[in-house]
Amino acid sequence: EVQLVESGGGLVQPGGSLRLSCAASGFTFSSYEMNWVRQAPGKGVEWVSYISTSGTTIYYADSLKGRFTISRDNAKNSLYLQMNSLRAEDTAVYYCARDGGYDSSGYYFAAFDIWGQGTMVTVSS
Amino acid sequence: EIVLTQSPATLSLSPGERATLSCRASQSVSTYLAWYQQKPGQAPRLLIYAASNRATGVPARFSGSGSGTDFTLTISSLEPEDFAVYYCQHRSDWPPGSTTFGGGTKVEIK
Repeated sequence: EVQLVESGGGLVQPGGSLRLSCAASGFTFSSYEMNWVRQAPGKGVEWVSYISTSGTTIYYADSLKGRFTISRDNAKNSLYLQMNSLRAEDTAVYYCARDGGYDSSGYYFAAFDIWGQGTMVTVSS
Repeated sequence: EIVLTQSPATLSLSPGERATLSCRASQSVSTYLAWYQQKPGQAPRLLIYAASNRATGVPARFSGSGSGTDFTLTISSLEPEDFAVYYCQHRSDWPPGSTTFGGGTKVEIK
């Protein structure tokens, strides 16, 4: 079964740090670009970060201002998000999501076809 | 940066009715537009990619159309399990991997 499982969420004080992990299974992880997406309570979905298959191309949402770092370990089939200088507004469910690549007909997905169940991050004193 | 505007914010309909959801891009995105469904407590689920292609396992009552700046998600006849929030999304070529989501449309039972 194709699956993504996040972990590492929890309660952290403002200014603190947290590292999220996403374990992939059921597919060739190293062949897929990956993303982190978050959703604040009662709000819409917000893209956070992207990483290429090799990890050499990375991009972040402008709102993060250099506080987050995405990485991956293809040997461990894992994706990570290091979050520093956390703020109350970072409180959200964080999802890892697979970039779909190309379908069997050659169409470029340009979309996230597999999502994890999410891990909750609460930033509060 | 491309902005996606979804309308209406809320759509109140009865089971069996047709739902028409709109997503407008601030500049042309060609057909690089996807739609997701999200139910409470669940992750978003991909419904439509490349504007009009149904993802695996998505019922035929869901269809997508449009190109350029104007896109539509249509649910031909609402089933009870279709009442949810729907998001559109654009994945940009540059910067690489940059992605934008619309604000969402909630389809609620009338």
